[in-house]
Amino acid sequence: EAGVVQSPRYKIIEKKQPVAFWCNPISGHNTLYWYRQNLGQGPELLIRYENEEAVDDSQLPKDRFSAERLKGVDSTLKIQPAELGDSAVYLCASSLDRLEQYFGPGTRLTVT
Amino acid sequence: GQQLNQSPQSMFIQEGEDVSMNCTSSSIFNTWLWYKQDPGEGPVLLIALYKAGELTSNGRLTAQFGITRKDSFLNISASIPSDVGIYFCAGPNSGGSNYKLTFGKGTLLTVNP
Repeated sequence: EAGVVQSPRYKIIEKKQPVAFWCNPISGHNTLYWYRQNLGQGPELLIRYENEEAVDDSQLPKDRFSAERLKGVDSTLKIQPAELGDSAVYLCASSLDRLEQYFGPGTRLTVT
Repeated sequence: GQQLNQSPQSMFIQEGEDVSMNCTSSSIFNTWLWYKQDPGEGPVLLIALYKAGELTSNGRLTAQFGITRKDSFLNISASIPSDVGIYFCAGPNSGGSNYKLTFGKGTLLTVNP
């Protein structure tokens, strides 16, 4: 069974530029999560989708972050414009059972 | 919000040694999850615990759900070099939002061959 797929794996951009991350969850998993992981920390939830509905985006900085999950499968997370403090690893996870979440390899973003 | 405290922050051991790490919280958790993260990769689920007092094994890994429901332990026996990585505990947020996981800051394990 294929795991969660994310792309790109690495991204380096200058501040004020836009950036987008893509995630394909495990087949059949209806719940999809985006997390941000800062260096030396555990992942922190940004947004959760149940199918195509964003059911918790309370931690998403909405002034510059946006996300979508069209058709309830793949998802994209966008930052526009990026700031230096956005440098982190962005992880996508999916689950069938809400508690056991399976993570992708992440996208390491560096904003210069 | 809820916080999970992991200790130790880091460990340096020799190959073949056993290792133990723990995770504590000031509030009760109904589920504990243990993940391992290799450098440059996402966390991988190792063990899930659902019942106070539960002891669950996965190969050389054994995890326990503390009786008080405020702690959990992960033990690795006969460590090998590929055990190197960061081990995270996680548990669902309170207030009925079982989907929202709180993660600890991790225990960094280094195994010297």
